[in-house]
Amino acid sequence: EVQLVESGGSLVQPGGSLRLSCAASGFPFSDHYVDWVRQAPGKGLEWVARIRDKGNSHSTEYASSVKGRFTISRDDSKKSVDLQMNSLKTEDTAVYYCARGGDYGSYFDLWGRGTLVTVSS
Amino acid sequence: DIQMTQSPSSLSASVGDRVTITCRASQSISRSLNWYQQKPGKAPNLLIYAASTLQSGVPSRFSGSGSGADFTLTINSLQPEDSATYYCQQSYVTPTFGRGTKVEIK
Repeated sequence: EVQLVESGGSLVQPGGSLRLSCAASGFPFSDHYVDWVRQAPGKGLEWVARIRDKGNSHSTEYASSVKGRFTISRDDSKKSVDLQMNSLKTEDTAVYYCARGGDYGSYFDLWGRGTLVTVSS
Repeated sequence: DIQMTQSPSSLSASVGDRVTITCRASQSISRSLNWYQQKPGKAPNLLIYAASTLQSGVPSRFSGSGSGADFTLTINSLQPEDSATYYCQQSYVTPTFGRGTKVEIK
């Protein structure tokens, strides 16, 4: 089955760290960009980070709101993408989705179900 | 960042109506515009990419148009299952989303 499955979300205190994972199956993972998109409770979608394919040197991009605090990485042998989140803030509370970037990231054609991150004391 | 402005923020329409949602970019983005549907508690689902290309499996009552900075999503003959929030997203540069349009069925 073609799918993305996120894991790792939980309750964490402000200033803490958390690592999210996204496991892919059913498609040639190494050929695709993978992005993280988040959605705060009752709010809209916010793009968070991108990692490109091997052909594009696994280069990365980040939203300004998370740059310097979040790090995206991938392991093509395990078909997985991680999002390391440090120095978490209450405003990072959201459902985090991983999404497959079709056509070199031109659109998000496959999404996981999301994992909830709650930053609260 | 490119700002995406959607309108209206919400609408209510009857089954069978034609519904139009607009999305305006803060600068020209050529045809690098996608539309997603999101139902409560679910992940977004790609409807339209590259402004007007229907994603596989999406009903033909959905269509997209536009180029440059102004884009439109049209739902012809609204169905009960179309009740959802719709987002536009530009892929011209670093992705950004519109704030969404909530579509309710009267």
